[in-house]
Amino acid sequence: QKEVEQDPGPLSVPEGAIVSLNCTYSNSAFQYFMWYRQYSRKGPELLMYTYSSGNKEDGRFTAQVDKSSKYISLFIRDSQPSDSATYLCAMIDTGGFKTIFGAGTRLFVKA
Amino acid sequence: DAGITQSPRHKVTETGTPVTLRCHQTENHRYMYWYRQDPGHGLRLIHYSYGVKDTDKGEVSDGYSVSRSKTEDFLLTLESATSSQTSVYFCAISGDGLAGDTQYFGPGTRLTVL
Repeated sequence: QKEVEQDPGPLSVPEGAIVSLNCTYSNSAFQYFMWYRQYSRKGPELLMYTYSSGNKEDGRFTAQVDKSSKYISLFIRDSQPSDSATYLCAMIDTGGFKTIFGAGTRLFVKA
Repeated sequence: DAGITQSPRHKVTETGTPVTLRCHQTENHRYMYWYRQDPGHGLRLIHYSYGVKDTDKGEVSDGYSVSRSKTEDFLLTLESATSSQTSVYFCAISGDGLAGDTQYFGPGTRLTVL
């Protein structure tokens, strides 16, 4: 069983929709949670970073962590065609610095 | 791409040949990483470096070696390439390697082993 599970999609939504992207994990030692965005033929770039449980908002993006359920989410409000990309969740455990990535969810936002 | 370049950007080679990929940074970051990205697996760590001549293995290090003789350069070598090493390879850098420290990724190298 992988430490981090993420549905690869693809997920296709109309412009303006609310998008929900999710990951589940098995290692209860994970404390740092990140979302990376990766455009086609490019390297990943950090989008959101949260520590422990709770919500974090940045513009149209909200990252949510539920440690009791070992479940993290990224919400995108008012989605735009420019949001079309692959979104990877990533996690780091306490005391470590090796990052474990999910497989990525491919998102298409149609104009 | 945060002052990170990778070369070559594309390479096609044959099984059994040696291949070296180069990562060059201009950010003077201490930590450098090599990942491979494959469909269904996401990014997996191959090797990382925490200083000049200081390297360690990641989760998929078999068949790969690395070297770092200067802060700015991190080389990944496939001693004898196999078809299973066909992948997209990403280099990343970070300042202090601590949990939560942002990793910045290069543009990637697409390697095909025939």
